[in-house]
Amino acid sequence: DQQVKQNSPSLSVQEGRISILNCDYTNSMFDYFLWYKKYPAEGPTFLISISSIKDKNEDGRFTVFLNKSAKHLSLHIVPSQPGDSAVYFCAGGSQGNLIFGKGTKLSVKP
Amino acid sequence: KAGVTQTPRYLIKTRGQQVTLSCSPISGHRSVSWYQQTPGQGLQFLFEYFSETQRNKGNFPGRFSGRQFSNSRSEMNVSTLELGDSALYLCASSLAPGQRTNEQFFGPGTRLTVL
Repeated sequence: DQQVKQNSPSLSVQEGRISILNCDYTNSMFDYFLWYKKYPAEGPTFLISISSIKDKNEDGRFTVFLNKSAKHLSLHIVPSQPGDSAVYFCAGGSQGNLIFGKGTKLSVKP
Repeated sequence: KAGVTQTPRYLIKTRGQQVTLSCSPISGHRSVSWYQQTPGQGLQFLFEYFSETQRNKGNFPGRFSGRQFSNSRSEMNVSTLELGDSALYLCASSLAPGQRTNEQFFGPGTRLTVL
């Protein structure tokens, strides 16, 4: 049973445009969500988080939106840059435990 | 401040062998989690250790085990290796479990290939 789903394995976006990465979850007990970015041959690095009591969190070019009623969150990257090309993992957390999605590979084309 | 370190970075083993991977968390971090990453499966949680005790365990067979030492360093062991165990094994450290936004810091991983 996948508690966190990233239904798009890949996404291709033109440089300068918006990238929208989506994530759905089934576990209502998650009380926070995180996004991680992973380059090949490196471990994931933390990008941005959102508490379940918020519906939006912004950090520079990155914004995460949470829709609790739909059990859906999304990561917006504006404007997208070639260096953003990586695999993005969404994770739901509860009591310190993280459940990750399978990831979405983002390719930003110059 | 040094990040999470994992050794070895690459490992090649044959079926039936056993392997031990090591993880040193960030100084001051007392919680260590292990994940398996395979193509198409994302990051799958193996187990978490805090204060030398296994706090949580994922849905993996008993061939996968781990431990944590008093200095918070952790090891994971896989016995009787199978071809399907080929994966990137990631270790992540955090200050302590149960924090509301428990940001975990990942190491570079150990790439295990089972032939």
